[in-house]
Amino acid sequence: GNSVTQMEGPVTLSEEAFLTINCTYTATGYPSLFWYVQYPGEGLQLLLKATKADDKGSNKGFEATYRKETTSFHLEKGSVQVSDSAVYFCALSERIQGAQKLVFGQGTRLTINP
Amino acid sequence: NAGVTQTPKFQVLKTGQSMTLQCAQDMNHEYMSWYRQDPGMGLRLIHYSVGAGITDQGEVPNGYNVSRSTTEDFPLRLLSAAPSQTSVYFCASKTDREIGEQYFGPGTRLTVT
Repeated sequence: GNSVTQMEGPVTLSEEAFLTINCTYTATGYPSLFWYVQYPGEGLQLLLKATKADDKGSNKGFEATYRKETTSFHLEKGSVQVSDSAVYFCALSERIQGAQKLVFGQGTRLTINP
Repeated sequence: NAGVTQTPKFQVLKTGQSMTLQCAQDMNHEYMSWYRQDPGMGLRLIHYSVGAGITDQGEVPNGYNVSRSTTEDFPLRLLSAAPSQTSVYFCASKTDREIGEQYFGPGTRLTVT
């Protein structure tokens, strides 16, 4: 079946550092790809998405590009802030029996120190 | 709009007890789902529904029942709680007509002793 693999955490960076969180996927067909963020004590929120190859999703300074040739969707941010501390989930959307379902990676915990 | 709401926020059960986790959404979304979140395993789909009266199993359905009598509500029932069901449970909803955002509730932290 389809699956998502993320880089292992936790990741700890200093404020204003460059961030990359790696995500690769295995899928039949061409799924849509997502990054979700979970702040402490809250549910998941959509951070960005890309629906086809070479699309770039972006939001709040974060970016990720859908790379079909490397089956990757790495999350990047040029200068992180303390408020970016959260758990980040990569996910793909698959359609099964008429319903669209998300398959999540295991999550990467990010801590930003001032 | 309240979005997706879940109750309770926290619950402790003894092994063998039953309970229902409540989930409601006010966005008229067709698609609703339940996930459990365990450390190092991401979120795993328990059950989902594509509309009132229609439910189906996800990746880890054993020990859980669901029903969808209205568009708004999608309760998750634990029939006989086991320690392996200690987890954080999230309900989510979306409009199935588009490839788009799933809206998540704030979660229920369940401990089974």
